[in-house]
Amino acid sequence: GAGVSQSPSNKVTEKGKDVELRCDPISGHTALYWYRQSLGQGLEFLIYFQGNSAPDKSGLPSDRFSAERTGGSVSTLTIQRTQQEDSAVYLCASSPAGAAYEQFFGPGTRLTVL
Amino acid sequence: GQQLNQSPQSMFIQEGEDVSMNCTSSSIFNTWLWYKQEPGEGPVLLIALYKAGELTSNGRLTAQFGITRKDSFLNISASIPSDVGIYFCAGLGGNQFYFGTGTSLTVIP
Repeated sequence: GAGVSQSPSNKVTEKGKDVELRCDPISGHTALYWYRQSLGQGLEFLIYFQGNSAPDKSGLPSDRFSAERTGGSVSTLTIQRTQQEDSAVYLCASSPAGAAYEQFFGPGTRLTVL
Repeated sequence: GQQLNQSPQSMFIQEGEDVSMNCTSSSIFNTWLWYKQEPGEGPVLLIALYKAGELTSNGRLTAQFGITRKDSFLNISASIPSDVGIYFCAGLGGNQFYFGTGTSLTVIP
């Protein structure tokens, strides 16, 4: 079956532009996570969606970052007015109900801000 | 956020050798996880641990959940070239996963 997919796989943008990153979770998974991974670093939690509950946005680094999840499925992470320090790999993961630990990761979107 | 300290940062070993890496935290976690990440891909779950003192194996991999709930280790026995990658520990606290900075493993044939 299909795993978690993310698009685009690579994105190069100019400083100050807005970008949208997309995540398609595994069908039926209720939880969806966004992480940021900088070069040589571990994963930094950004935001968590669980079913119809209000998302946990506590990891978003600034108000330039936002995310939404439509219809409990596809999610979009938006970064406004990108800065060079936003350059990183953005990873999405989903997990089934009752098994939050069992995260399945997508391949990530590599964002480069020039 | 909470910081997980993972060591060693990198390892270069000969094929066939055993590998050991560990992860410590200043906070208690109720679930510890170990992931492997290969270039250009997302992390893949290797082992999940739910109880202090628990020792769990997955093939050549063995992981333990420390009795204090503030640490965990991962052992890989008889390493092979395809073990190459970055290994991350993670602790589950509430809704959030806190990841270590990773151990980069290189296996020399």
